[in-house]
Amino acid sequence: GENVEQHPSTLSVQEGDSAVIKCTYSDSASNYFPWYKQELGKRPQLIIDIRSNVGEKKDQRIAVTLNKTAKHFSLHITETQPEDSAVYFCAATPLYSGGGADGLTFGKGTHLIIQP
Amino acid sequence: EAQVTQNPRYLITVTGKKLTVTCSQNMNHEYMSWYRQDPGLGLRQIYYSMNVEVTDKGDVPEGYKVSRKEKRNFPLILESPSPNQTSLYFCASSFRYISAYEQYFGPGTRLTVT
Repeated sequence: GENVEQHPSTLSVQEGDSAVIKCTYSDSASNYFPWYKQELGKRPQLIIDIRSNVGEKKDQRIAVTLNKTAKHFSLHITETQPEDSAVYFCAATPLYSGGGADGLTFGKGTHLIIQP
Repeated sequence: EAQVTQNPRYLITVTGKKLTVTCSQNMNHEYMSWYRQDPGLGLRQIYYSMNVEVTDKGDVPEGYKVSRKEKRNFPLILESPSPNQTSLYFCASSFRYISAYEQYFGPGTRLTVT
């Protein structure tokens, strides 16, 4: 099955600086890579995702990059703000093509701390 | 309001006493899933269902059962709970397969097995 490794487990950055979280995956069949944000005591929420047919995707201060050859993808947050403090999870799954499995494997999470 | 609901939100029980955690969604979603969240281990998928009467094992299915008799409901059953099933459980749903449609999580159920 798929194995997703996520680093670092904790990341502390100064407000206004950039933060980068990295994930690697093992299954070459994986083609869809979502990122979830979980604030303290809340449920996970999807913040951005990327499919294997693109190398980068941006949404305001958040971007995700994908290197399929190296089997790794990263989350980039620029101009960090206090509300960015949360746990972030990466995940991977194959693109569903009808029939077969459609499970989702998560990384273990990164606790992002924004220092004022 | 479109939502995923779980009940109960908190549960303390004893080893071996069967329990069911309910999950319901009102968005007519085909895909539903259960995850457990443990410190240092992140989220791990227990079971998922791609439609009524269709269920599949996730990464950690041992000790759990599920059923999908109706589209809106996806209960998680622990036939004989053990202390290692103490965890935070999330139900989630998606319109269809999760690689094409956003997954929405319920509020979570915190289970303690003594």
